[in-house]
Amino acid sequence: QQKVQQSPESLIVPEGGMASLNCTSSDRNVDYFWWYRQHSGKSPKMLMSIFSNGEKEEGRFTVHLNKASLHTSLHIRDSQPSDSALYLCAASMTSGSWQLIFGSGTQLTVMP
Amino acid sequence: ETAVFQTPNYHVTQVGNEVSFNCKQTLGHDTMYWYKQDSKKLLKIMFSYNNKQLIVNETVPRRFSPQSSDKAHLNLRIKSVEPEDSAVYLCASSLDRFSYEQYFGPGTRLTVL
Repeated sequence: QQKVQQSPESLIVPEGGMASLNCTSSDRNVDYFWWYRQHSGKSPKMLMSIFSNGEKEEGRFTVHLNKASLHTSLHIRDSQPSDSALYLCAASMTSGSWQLIFGSGTQLTVMP
Repeated sequence: ETAVFQTPNYHVTQVGNEVSFNCKQTLGHDTMYWYKQDSKKLLKIMFSYNNKQLIVNETVPRRFSPQSSDKAHLNLRIKSVEPEDSAVYLCASSLDRFSYEQYFGPGTRLTVL
């Protein structure tokens, strides 16, 4: 079973709408969560990270984290066609092998 | 803006051949990684090097062998490729082994016929 699960697999929202993406880990050793964005044919780029309970906002992007349930969510308001991409959630564990474990991603399409 | 470079961009080969991929980063980072991204877009770490030392070696087939000549370069050799090796191989780097912000290269797409 994958240690990092993302939902939904794919999401279509209209331009100007709100996109909400979810990510959960089944490993209690997870400390931090990371969100990466990968446009089609391009390499992943880090979007946001969150380490503490609560939320963090950067422009149109907001990340929430609930450490008790190991659940994080990414919300994109006023979605733009340029936001269309694969969104990858990654978790890190400071005990152990110091590596990122990626989920299989949510493919977001923003329709003009 | 690209600071992690990979060659080649694409490679098509036949089962049983040997292939080599190259990666170079100009960020001055200490740690470099090889990931495999399959057709379902799942990113899985294969190897991690810190200052030329292997620090993570996930369970990958023995036909895969990484090599690092210095902390800015990381290569990947695959002896006797198999069809399931078809994927995009992504190289990444981070400031050090404790930094999780990773910078990815453009990838090498391998197709095994």
